[in-house]
Amino acid sequence: NAGVTQTPKFRILKIGQSMTLQCTQDMNHNYMYWYRQDPGMGLKLIYYSVGAGITDKGEVPNGYNVSRSTTEDFPLRLELAAPSQTSVYFCASTLQGTVRGKGEKLFFGSGTQLSVL
Amino acid sequence: GESVGLHLPTLSVQEGDNSIINCAYSNSASDYFIWYKQESGKGPQFIIDIRSNMDKRQGQRVTVLLNKTVKHLSLQIAATQPGDSAVYFCAVSRDSGYSTLTFGKGTMLLVSP
Repeated sequence: NAGVTQTPKFRILKIGQSMTLQCTQDMNHNYMYWYRQDPGMGLKLIYYSVGAGITDKGEVPNGYNVSRSTTEDFPLRLELAAPSQTSVYFCASTLQGTVRGKGEKLFFGSGTQLSVL
Repeated sequence: GESVGLHLPTLSVQEGDNSIINCAYSNSASDYFIWYKQESGKGPQFIIDIRSNMDKRQGQRVTVLLNKTVKHLSLQIAATQPGDSAVYFCAVSRDSGYSTLTFGKGTMLLVSP
């Protein structure tokens, strides 16, 4: 299994541009998450999904949109990029949304470093 | 809400020493705690977790201690190796749910030979 795969690894955007960060997982996980990590700060949850067709806002959803048309894919969309969205973005997945026993661990992708200039 | 803080942004140790990384949380209702390791340019990697019905859990060379009275948890790494150099951060959940995880800022562990 490849696990959680994110593309691209790096991207530079101009203010006002749009882009989609791709995330796919091959573990048949139901739950998927998007986080952003700012320098010296903890991960913040942007959006999450409990299954195909269902998405929910996290702690910092403003300026982002998501969709979950399949179990495998959970793209994150930036419509009008702003300098405040400069960050490292991580996608993650887990089989269950809550810890019920062994195996429900949160698996992370390797991240997308985004700069908005 | 929950706030999660780590006591030291950087910890430098010698190879072979034991390392202790600390984390404090604010919500007494928190019931699930995870430690992650993040190497440069990579995503966080699960190390060990503990639920609130336990106060100690051991893995391979790692031990997590939970003190609910003072809302504090620690990660102990035995016989620290250069490969342990990374940022370590804790995450805390109030309902054992991943959507309610609050992450700490991280402690950078530097291991010198």
